[in-house]
Amino acid sequence: ILNVEQSPQSLHVQEGDSTNFTCSFPSSNFYALHWYRWETAKSPEALFVMTLNGDEKKKGRISATLNTKEGYSYLYIKGSQPEDSATYLCAFLAGNMLTFGGGTRLMVKP
Amino acid sequence: DAGVIQSPRHEVTEMGQEVTLRCKPISGHDYLFWYRQTMMRGLELLIYFNNNVPIDDSGMPEDRFSAKMPNASFSTLKIQPSEPRDSAVYFCASSGQGLNSPLHFGNGTRLTVT
Repeated sequence: ILNVEQSPQSLHVQEGDSTNFTCSFPSSNFYALHWYRWETAKSPEALFVMTLNGDEKKKGRISATLNTKEGYSYLYIKGSQPEDSATYLCAFLAGNMLTFGGGTRLMVKP
Repeated sequence: DAGVIQSPRHEVTEMGQEVTLRCKPISGHDYLFWYRQTMMRGLELLIYFNNNVPIDDSGMPEDRFSAKMPNASFSTLKIQPSEPRDSAVYFCASSGQGLNSPLHFGNGTRLTVT
């Protein structure tokens, strides 16, 4: 079983704040790192798939960075909005196993 | 494209009954995954298929669980006999180019076994 950890588990921010959270994964046998956004009562939606050390991806106000040598990825949200409230999941691909972390639950207060 | 389609959305059954969950992946996607979501364990992979062939079923909890993919557009996850501890949300997902490409999830089936 691969250890994929996300921190913090939950986060409350005010509308307009920028925030970030972390996904930690084993630094060996790295193939890819996925990020998903999961709103309550819906299904997870893919944000990014990152494969190269130093990768940076951006989608609107959300961006992510990847450090495969030290085994972490950061997800950043600039100027959080209430509609950003969701659980953000990362998933680590090693070989043919994709293992999800426990998620960071973000709540943005208006 | 309609996305990944799962049925039923909700299933309530009594312990000991057989339960069949269904999934239609996105057309053209070669990979299909079955995940289970619980409070305790989060999203855990049960089994996945590539070109209709099961590749990894190490996450299937026990012999009561079985999954099939008879063709590229249909998969089932069967639990027989069901137990209360099987109560969870079961997600099906598909992807087009393997595990380096994003997974597209269905809306899930919420299973309650009483």
